[in-house]
Amino acid sequence: NAGVMQNPRHLVRRRGQEARLRCSPMKGHSHVYWYRQLPEEGLKFMVYLQKENIIDESGMPKERFSAEFPKEGPSILRIQQVVRGDSAAYFCASSPLGAATDTQYFGPGTRLTVL
Amino acid sequence: AQSVTQLDSQVPVFEEAPVELRCNYSSSVSVYLFWYVQYPNQGLQLLLKYLSGSTLVESINGFEAEFNKSQTSFHLRKPSVHISDTAEYFCAVTTNNAGNMLTFGGGTRLMVKP
Repeated sequence: NAGVMQNPRHLVRRRGQEARLRCSPMKGHSHVYWYRQLPEEGLKFMVYLQKENIIDESGMPKERFSAEFPKEGPSILRIQQVVRGDSAAYFCASSPLGAATDTQYFGPGTRLTVL
Repeated sequence: AQSVTQLDSQVPVFEEAPVELRCNYSSSVSVYLFWYVQYPNQGLQLLLKYLSGSTLVESINGFEAEFNKSQTSFHLRKPSVHISDTAEYFCAVTTNNAGNMLTFGGGTRLMVKP
């Protein structure tokens, strides 16, 4: 059973460009979470999605960031007009039931570097 | 809202020595607690979790953690560490009304020396 897949693993963008990060959850999981890890810091929650629905986006920056989880295909985290401060590791996690007691299974992350 | 504090950012220890990584949390409601391990350039892997019941939980590779409600702690321990345990360890908390959001501590880098 394949784990959570994320691509690309590394992404380099220049300031002002767009970054698209993809996440395929584990088979059978319909709940997806995105976290951001800034250098030398812990992970910070960004958004929680179910298929076609955003459940909680309380951790998302108000501008330039958006996320979706369509009926078919991976979840996408989109960052428009990237700035240097967006450089971080972005992790996706998935869980089967969407319960607080669920284990969240993490992908390997996408490391975004903004030049 | 809940929060997690990992008091030590780095813990150096010699191989085969015991280790304790400290984690304290703050929450006004009942909590679920997790320890994750992150090896260099990899994602997080669940080490162990406390949901309810016995306050002592164990992992398959010799780690254990004890939930202490009165001290609001969930410290991680291992009686004898190996070089391969060198990694970053994250404590995390969630609650039934946190919307499945995990709140992480800042992490503790365990450095095992030969």
